[in-house]
Amino acid sequence: AQSVAQPEDQVNVAEGNPLTVKCTYSVSGNPYLFWYVQYPNRGLQFLLKYITGDNLVKGSYGFEAEFNKSQTSFHLKKPSALVSDSALYFCAVRDVGNTPLVFGKGTRLSVIA
Amino acid sequence: DAGITQSPRHKVTETGTPVTLRCHQTENHRYMYWYRQDPGHGLRLIHYSYGVKDTDKGEVSDGYSVSRSKTEDFLLTLESATSSQTSVYFCAISERVAGGNEQFFGPGTRLTVL
Repeated sequence: AQSVAQPEDQVNVAEGNPLTVKCTYSVSGNPYLFWYVQYPNRGLQFLLKYITGDNLVKGSYGFEAEFNKSQTSFHLKKPSALVSDSALYFCAVRDVGNTPLVFGKGTRLSVIA
Repeated sequence: DAGITQSPRHKVTETGTPVTLRCHQTENHRYMYWYRQDPGHGLRLIHYSYGVKDTDKGEVSDGYSVSRSKTEDFLLTLESATSSQTSVYFCAISERVAGGNEQFFGPGTRLTVL
């Protein structure tokens, strides 16, 4: 069965520094990987996805993610963090076939001015 | 929130009472989902629908039922609410469920069962 792990409950970073939010996955075939962001009292917003091709995927708000098949990882990155990036981030995966997304437990990102 | 509304947005109820949450979409997407969000658990799938009157169970379906009589509406019912069902419930939609099709989420319903 497909699964995804976000090993860090909380990530703290200073404004202007690069940020990384980690995600690892487990699937039986080729994965489809997604990142979502949730701001307080809001629903989840889609950030970016990996389907196939280039291992570096660019998304909304300056975020990007790097797919690494050998390490089964899909880490979210941003070169320079903003205070407004503070939110809850979810990684999600879909295996081959017609299945709903499976989400990780989320990582709370706090960007400190 | 991608043409998705949820009602009510907040509800407080007592143990043993029935509760129905409604999700309404204006995107004419075929697939609709109900997730619950709990600290330490992330989002977990309760039920989903792949068409009118076609539904399937998710990871945490016990104690929940769903119905979909129209493309635009997906109802989640707690037949007899328990305190363990206190949570934030999110509806999501997608055009397809395969491959790289992302899901779009509603604003959520915060349910408290006393």
